[in-house]
Amino acid sequence: DIQMTQSPSSLSASVGERVTITCRASQSISTYVNWYQRKPGKAPKLLISAASTLQSGVPSRFSGSGSGTDFTLTISSLQPEDSATYFCQQSYTTPRTFGQGTRLEIK
Amino acid sequence: QVQLEQSGAEVKKPGASVKVSCKASGYTFTGYYIHWVRQAPGQGLEWMGWINPSSGVTSYAQKFQGRVTVTRDTSISTAYMELSRLRSDDTAVYYCAREWAARPYYFDYWGQGTLVTVSP
Repeated sequence: DIQMTQSPSSLSASVGERVTITCRASQSISTYVNWYQRKPGKAPKLLISAASTLQSGVPSRFSGSGSGTDFTLTISSLQPEDSATYFCQQSYTTPRTFGQGTRLEIK
Repeated sequence: QVQLEQSGAEVKKPGASVKVSCKASGYTFTGYYIHWVRQAPGQGLEWMGWINPSSGVTSYAQKFQGRVTVTRDTSISTAYMELSRLRSDDTAVYYCAREWAARPYYFDYWGQGTLVTVSP
């Protein structure tokens, strides 16, 4: 199985700050990485597919990059509504595997 | 609009089985795969398996082989996940998610989650 190592596990940042979350795959997976946001009591929401494709309706402050084994989710200017848990997922093969998640808190 | 509506919370005793449903609406059910993912308290997301609603073909995580069965009823656009021989560590929120059946794969819609509690 492909392991997805996500970091940090939690972080606290202020409104307006730039935030970066990383995921490392245990083998090369091209650009088959997706990023999701989950808020308490809600279904996860797809933010970015194929490493860098922003989904319709997702604010442009979110961006993704990377290929091979190293991937990044960036929030360029943090907003209060971005408080959530973020996780990466590889879709290169089954089993689909996920990072452990990053809990983002707004200071 | 696309929706995946899951069945309600369940409380089960160890050794029992649970069957969670996922009713799809707003799109052609047979055009997308349905995956099942769970999250136990304090744990990350864990992929369990998937079904191709068009063909009925399934694939399961090795960890759950022999205990999980994913089925579908195309007449009512519903997928099911049944987990047997429940243990306390099966206590988790179970999600279904839709996946576009071509590369690059991604889960674009998720159900709201179903809490399954396994307790004596």
